[in-house]
Amino acid sequence: NAGVTQTPKFRILKIGQSMTLQCTQDMNHNYMYWYRQDPGMGLKLIYYSVGAGITDKGEVPNGYNVSRSTTEDFPLRLELAAPSQTSVYFCASRTNFYEQYFGPGTRLTVT
Amino acid sequence: DAKTTQPTSMDCAEGRAANLPCNHSTISGNEYVYWYRQIHSQGPQYIIHGLKNNETNEMASLIITEDRKSSTLILPHATLRDTAVYYCIVRVAGDSGGGADGLTFGKGTHLIIQP
Repeated sequence: NAGVTQTPKFRILKIGQSMTLQCTQDMNHNYMYWYRQDPGMGLKLIYYSVGAGITDKGEVPNGYNVSRSTTEDFPLRLELAAPSQTSVYFCASRTNFYEQYFGPGTRLTVT
Repeated sequence: DAKTTQPTSMDCAEGRAANLPCNHSTISGNEYVYWYRQIHSQGPQYIIHGLKNNETNEMASLIITEDRKSSTLILPHATLRDTAVYYCIVRVAGDSGGGADGLTFGKGTHLIIQP
């Protein structure tokens, strides 16, 4: 199993540009999550999904959108990138209990 | 979710046991204690979880006090690779029954293993 994979690893965006952060898991987990981590801080939940076709907002959803058309994929879309979205983004999935598996992260800089 | 309090940083000598404390005095009866760690620039990694009994796995042991208001994560023989930020999280297991279904990460404890 590859676990949770994320692409790209690094990205620099200009203000106002858009991009999609990709996340794929091969563990057949229903639950998937997107978090962001600002320097020196803990992770904050952006969006989550409890299964294909079902998504919901987390703590900091503004400026982001998600979709979940398959069990495996949970892309995060940034529209009109802003400097405040400079962060490291982690995707995660979990079992039916509560052990979450995290991807390696995408480091995004908006200038 | 119950709030947790952890020391900002701790040092431990390589080969010794690292004991990381966590206070969660407002924990509810159906909330579990979870520990994750994050090695620099990597995604968080699950370590262990427990409800009220002490737990042990290949990575660590978790000691929960009888009143469940605090817990200690024990890394029995710390190595340099255990240098990381350790997060203590209190959460109900499985579906939350409403609200955001994610983990709440505080700032954690930065554990530094000294050679």
